Amino acid sequence: DTEVTQTPKHLVMGMTNKKSLKCEQHMGHRAMYWYKQKAKKPPELMFVYSYEKLSINESVPSRFSPECPNSSLLNLHLHALQPEDSALYLCASGRSGQFTDTQYFGPGTRLTVL
Amino acid sequence: AQSVTQLGSHVSVSEGALVLLRCNYSSSVPPYLFWYVQYPNQGLQLLLKYTTGATLVKGINGFEAEFKKSETSFHLTKPSAHMSDAAEYFCAVSGGLDDYKLSFGAGTTVTVRA
Repeated sequence: DTEVTQTPKHLVMGMTNKKSLKCEQHMGHRAMYWYKQKAKKPPELMFVYSYEKLSINESVPSRFSPECPNSSLLNLHLHALQPEDSALYLCASGRSGQFTDTQYFGPGTRLTVL
Repeated sequence: AQSVTQLGSHVSVSEGALVLLRCNYSSSVPPYLFWYVQYPNQGLQLLLKYTTGATLVKGINGFEAEFKKSETSFHLTKPSAHMSDAAEYFCAVSGGLDDYKLSFGAGTTVTVRA
């Protein structure tokens, strides 16, 4: 099973709202990633968790707050977002966070910020 | 740092015709190369990957790619296009020991004409 699940599929929020995106994998992977993808562009890396510790933050604004409660779950907490944050947010997982890993992607959450 | 260049942002083929998507990479270390496909409103799905060994890599859905070190290329082909192949295709290279990132090309949109 190479499935990564993400909820919700769509999310519309106002600039003052607080919301969370959820990602789950049951492949026993120890690395999980958040990406942001704008229309007709490749995914851009935001965060990397390796063995439940935040290992990479690609200078993402603090209005995005990641959390990894356990090795199977990854959350992205959203607060005070801007309209330009509207995008497809993709979660991925990999075996160990090494460059040799294959990353498996979820279907994404389509976020619209009003 | 590793990088990839996808030649042609848009490719249009007739159903049953050859699909050829071009990818050139730049890497200071032996590369790990990937092709991902993204169908509309979905996440990325791994088509195939090259790590080491056999330079002709077979993937899912009838796609294959050939690693050519002398040309620093990893072009994706499918002998006979199907309507269901219409999607966005991304070539990616993983970093070396000091580069954790999966670096994506800009993507190629494939349309299939009946």
